[in-house]
Amino acid sequence: SQQGEEDPQALSIQEGENATMNCSYKTSINNLQWYRQNSGRGLVHLILIRSNEREKHSGRLRVTLDTSKKSSSLLITASRAADTASYFCATPSGYSTLTFGKGTMLLVSP
Amino acid sequence: GAGVSQSPRYKVAKRGQDVALRCDPISGHVSLFWYQQALGQGPEFLTYFQNEAQLDKSGLPSDRFFAERPEGSVSTLKIQRTQQEDSAVYLCASSSTGTLSYNEQFFGPGTRLTVL
Repeated sequence: SQQGEEDPQALSIQEGENATMNCSYKTSINNLQWYRQNSGRGLVHLILIRSNEREKHSGRLRVTLDTSKKSSSLLITASRAADTASYFCATPSGYSTLTFGKGTMLLVSP
Repeated sequence: GAGVSQSPRYKVAKRGQDVALRCDPISGHVSLFWYQQALGQGPEFLTYFQNEAQLDKSGLPSDRFFAERPEGSVSTLKIQRTQQEDSAVYLCASSSTGTLSYNEQFFGPGTRLTVL
């Protein structure tokens, strides 16, 4: 079963544009993580936001978390072709495991 | 330093064969996870080790799946009598912290298993 659901399923933009993807989840969490997956580097951790944080930045990434709506968003500014990948939100469950959504496929065209 | 490595990277098995997938976590990492990722889906949890103890195996889909980490480092995921629905990418991840810490996980490149 998957807790997080990303939206949209796929997104196609031009280089230089911003990309926004959303994640909704079902149960209470103490943090939410975003990961990126592409064929070259596999699944890579991008950013973690804790439940007491509303917004967090890392380079060109901006993540927001709204625990009242059980939702998070990931914004990538000034996108590059190298940002082409699938993006997953992940929420903690069990002992230390993560539950991933189905992902958003982002295509950035030059 | 070296990241998480997995071998083989690709495995083709005939239905009914047994397979063994290996994971070498980052040295010193306490936690080790196995995930299964079907095409077009996100990774789904299979099992979790803290050192050599298998604390959670609730995600293993059937008793044909078995995982071990006997010395608290390298782990092996074994699938017996493989079936076509076992075809997927099997991801291994490790983390430096233990239970309930929910920190960043470092993933290996995965093993793509195809069962014919």
